[in-house]
Amino acid sequence: DAKTTQPTSMDCAEGRAANLPCNHSTISGNEYVYWYRQIHSQGPQYIIHGLKNNETNEMASLIITEDRKSSTLILPHATLRDTAVYYCIVKGPWDTGTASKLTFGTGTRLQVTL
Amino acid sequence: SQTIHQWPATLVQPVGSPLSLECTVEGTSNPNLYWYRQAAGRGLQLLFYSVGIGQISSEVPQNLSASRPQDRQFILSSKKLLLSDSGFYLCASGPPRGGTDTQYFGPGTRLTVL
Repeated sequence: DAKTTQPTSMDCAEGRAANLPCNHSTISGNEYVYWYRQIHSQGPQYIIHGLKNNETNEMASLIITEDRKSSTLILPHATLRDTAVYYCIVKGPWDTGTASKLTFGTGTRLQVTL
Repeated sequence: SQTIHQWPATLVQPVGSPLSLECTVEGTSNPNLYWYRQAAGRGLQLLFYSVGIGQISSEVPQNLSASRPQDRQFILSSKKLLLSDSGFYLCASGPPRGGTDTQYFGPGTRLTVL
């Protein structure tokens, strides 16, 4: 699975958009980009994933560059409850009968402030 | 959507005592199940995974063991706890087939070994 690089920390004012970048220059053609977040003292929470096209759900938007070497997670209107560590993970499909193993790096610590 | 239950939420145990953490899953069938551990201030480490009843794979050597007696039940155990077993233990459920990987995590058990 491709390695990812994320900034260690970021700040965002409440109500503004939070844009979290992720570099994955060695991504393969069949590997997806996943985003999870972990709020303090809770289990990680799945946010969104994508392969080539930009994706949007009720939580966030995922913008993947055309060459797929980087992506950006966008929280359109950040709130204090979005303060968390955000993990960008690149992962390919796996065979039935085996298990997928997500590798969580150090992520980006997003601090949303008033 | 899936719901992952873990108990207890917190646990303080003396060194050398046994351990049993339980995880149950609702809202899915035949999931892949995972045990992760997060030491204080560290990333998530995959400990065990299971692709079916009675099928356990270990990722790291340690004095912990796992069992899956039912399709949606996953248990983490130890006969004698070590100080280094302290941490935040997370159970996760994921799809059994290859493809996209959206793992759902439980609330976690915070274990302190004294």
